[in-house]
Parts: sequence; C-alpha cells; structure tokens
Amino acid sequence: DVKVTQSSRYLVKRTGEKVFLECVQDMDHENMFWYRQDPGLGLRLIYFSYDVKMKEKGDIPEGYSVSREKKERFSLILESASTNQTSMYLCASSFGGANVLTFGAGSRLTVL
Amino acid sequence: QKEVEQNSGPLSVPEGAIASLNCTYSDRGSQSFFWYRQYSGKSPELIMSIYSNGDKEDGRFTAQLNKASQYVSLLIRDSQPSDSATYLCAVNMGTGGFKTIFGAGTRLFVKA
Repeated sequence: DVKVTQSSRYLVKRTGEKVFLECVQDMDHENMFWYRQDPGLGLRLIYFSYDVKMKEKGDIPEGYSVSREKKERFSLILESASTNQTSMYLCASSFGGANVLTFGAGSRLTVL
Repeated sequence: QKEVEQNSGPLSVPEGAIASLNCTYSDRGSQSFFWYRQYSGKSPELIMSIYSNGDKEDGRFTAQLNKASQYVSLLIRDSQPSDSATYLCAVNMGTGGFKTIFGAGTRLFVKA
C-alpha cells in the first residue's frame, strides 16, 4: 500500500514562529500536494509539485512556501505563523496523469 | 464562482434509500473527476473516478458525468449507516491536469 506519512499529528506554535510540516511518501509518486482543511471551506490547495524542485501555487499560497529537494519528500513552510493559519494540513501524493490522491493522516496546527 | 461547488447538506436519507450527491465545476477543459469519502477525524479516500461522459458503476456506487453541463454526480444505492460521511467532489484543472481542486463537501447521514 502507498503510504504518505506526515511527521507531526499535532503542533502548537506561537505567532511569528517558523513552522515546518514534513511529508514523505514511499511509492515513487511524481506529484505531491499540500492542502488545508477548515470547517465549511473544504480542502483548499496551497501548493503542489509534479517533479523534484518543481512547485506550483495552488489557490491559497500566501503565507506559505514549499520545498521538494527529493522525490519522496515535500515540505510546507510557514515563515511567520499567524493565528489564521490554525488549521488541519493534509499532504497527498499521486502518480501520472490519473492523479488519484493518497492522503496522509493530517497535521493539526494551532497557532496561539 | 467557485471552481468546484457542492451542496454542503447535510443530506439525510433512510437506510436502504438512494443518496444523490451533486457537483458542478467551472473549468470546461477539465478531464478527470473524482469522489472522495471522508469519515469524521479521518483523511479523504477515493471511492470513484470518472473521465468520460456517462455513468460508471462500482458496486453500490454510480458516478455520472456530463461535461456539456459541467456536472458530476454520485449515487449511492441501498445506503447503509456506514455510508454516513462527508463526500468530496474533486476535479483536475489547469495545464497538465495536476491541479486537483475540491468542493467543500456534502455531509451525508444515513438513518438506521
């Protein structure tokens, strides 16, 4: 089975801190994604990547950056966390044009 | 206009009935369409994908696609209490079709 692993299930950070969310997949998938999920808003795409060192902005990239130095790892970075970034963050990966997403368990971030 | 729109519900149906979930999308060039199911506290998981106009059946689930009307639906026959979940419509958009955008989801309750 494809496994997508997110390094932290729960994080609590202070406003202004730098936050790293790590995601690793073990099935050689080309595509990786970061979403945030908020009640009533569904999943909103932050960034995605279709190859190593490639990244594309999603619908809500402001306040976030990403890094994909290796095919299996896709990191989401909050340079200066703010309270409105409190959310559930979901990483996903997929292969090829079919682009069926496999999700990690999620990282719930609280910014105080 | 949102890129992918769903009725947020909740949709309540009795056990054994047909549940009908609907979704519209804005990008006429979209080619790939998906339904994901998300149980409370869990990550989304794929239940159906559809790429061509018409119906696609898999067990109790039928996905229907009408590209001319930019409409995709999911029918669940013989609904069971275990089908109670949020159903997310997802559409691949943009050049290359890697950008996967989700609707806000429809909450389904199946009453025993």
